[in-house]
Amino acid sequence: NAGVTQTPKFQVLKTGQSMTLQCAQDMNHEYMSWYRQDPGMGLRLIHYSVGAGITDQGEVPNGYNVSRSTTEDFPLRLLSAAPSQTSVYFCASSKLAGHTDTQYFGPGTRLTVL
Amino acid sequence: SQQGEEDPQALSIQEGENATMNCSYKTSINNLQWYRQNSGRGLVHLILIRSNEREKHSGRLRVTLDTSKKSSSLLITASRAADTASYFCATDAEYSGGGADGLTFGKGTHLIIQP
Repeated sequence: NAGVTQTPKFQVLKTGQSMTLQCAQDMNHEYMSWYRQDPGMGLRLIHYSVGAGITDQGEVPNGYNVSRSTTEDFPLRLLSAAPSQTSVYFCASSKLAGHTDTQYFGPGTRLTVL
Repeated sequence: SQQGEEDPQALSIQEGENATMNCSYKTSINNLQWYRQNSGRGLVHLILIRSNEREKHSGRLRVTLDTSKKSSSLLITASRAADTASYFCATDAEYSGGGADGLTFGKGTHLIIQP
């Protein structure tokens, strides 16, 4: 199993550009989520999904969109990038609900917005 | 919001020594998890301890939970250079309070093992 994969690993955007961060898992996990990690802030939940077709907001959802058309994929879209979105983004998945189960994290995407 | 707070923020010890990190949280929880993050990598799950458990072991790792003090500790025995990483505690407190279904992470303890 590849586990949780994320692409790209690095990305530089200009303010106002849009892009999609890809996340995929091959463990047949129902729950998937996106976190951002900023220096000195720990990880913060952006959006999550408890199954295909179901998404919900986390702690810091503004400026991001998600969709879950399949069990395997959970892309994160930045609609109009801002410097405040410079961060490292992690996708995670688990078999059961996110608050009760071990989370499997991807390797991360380091995003810089100029 | 930061639910868990790790202490200390940074810890440097000699290889072979034991390392202890603490986590305090503010509201009631159902479970608490510890994760490790090597520099530039994703987080790796270490241990999950439920609110009705007081202690769990996994290899050289020992986690305790004191719900009356709202605190947890992670002990790494006989440390190795490969243990150099950041360690995070995470709780489900936001969900317990009716918030989003995910984990709330602390800021982490950066552990350095000197050879």
